Amino acid sequence: SQTIHQWPATLVQPVGSPLSLECTVEGTSNPNLYWYRQAAGRGLQLLFYSVGIGQISSEVPQNLSASRPQDRQFILSSKKLLLSDSGFYLCAWKKALLQGGYTFGSGTRLTVV
Amino acid sequence: AQSVTQLDSQVPVFEEAPVELRCNYSSSVSVYLFWYVQYPNQGLQLLLKYLSGSTLVKGINGFEAEFNKSQTSFHLRKPSVHISDTAEYFCAVSGTTSGGSYIPTFGRGTSLIVHP
Repeated sequence: SQTIHQWPATLVQPVGSPLSLECTVEGTSNPNLYWYRQAAGRGLQLLFYSVGIGQISSEVPQNLSASRPQDRQFILSSKKLLLSDSGFYLCAWKKALLQGGYTFGSGTRLTVV
Repeated sequence: AQSVTQLDSQVPVFEEAPVELRCNYSSSVSVYLFWYVQYPNQGLQLLLKYLSGSTLVKGINGFEAEFNKSQTSFHLRKPSVHISDTAEYFCAVSGTTSGGSYIPTFGRGTSLIVHP
């Protein structure tokens, strides 16, 4: 069966520090991968998605970047965090080119102080 | 372009009462519709989905939803709620993008609060 792992679960970082959040999927190949940010009362905002290794699409301009160095690994990064980067970050995957729901990771609560 | 409107930000209800969470969408293409549930500090879990076929869709935990194309709605219902149903519920719609990636648009969520 397929599983998705996301870590860390919580993170407190000072303003200006770097960020690296990792997401990995097991039990499938060539998944579509997604990073979302969830702010309180504002639903889910799509940040990045990837349909293959090295292929990253950015939905909004921001202080973040994403990379997909391996087929089932998706990394969200920042060189210098801002206070506004605080939020709940969710990784998700789905089978490529098939219509169906996402499977989400358990999320990372990031607090920038 | 597609959009989703969840008409209620919060729905309080007593245990064992029925509940309906409303969702309306707009899309210029054929749509696929989803409901997700999120418990505190957790990721989202798929409750049910409409892809094609019967407009009444049954999901996990006793939830069901009905796709109404003429009213562009996909309301979520449960005949008798439990305390454990207290959570945030998200409606989502997706259609074919130019790249075929089927990226969904999510509503802002409805907080279901079940009182004893």
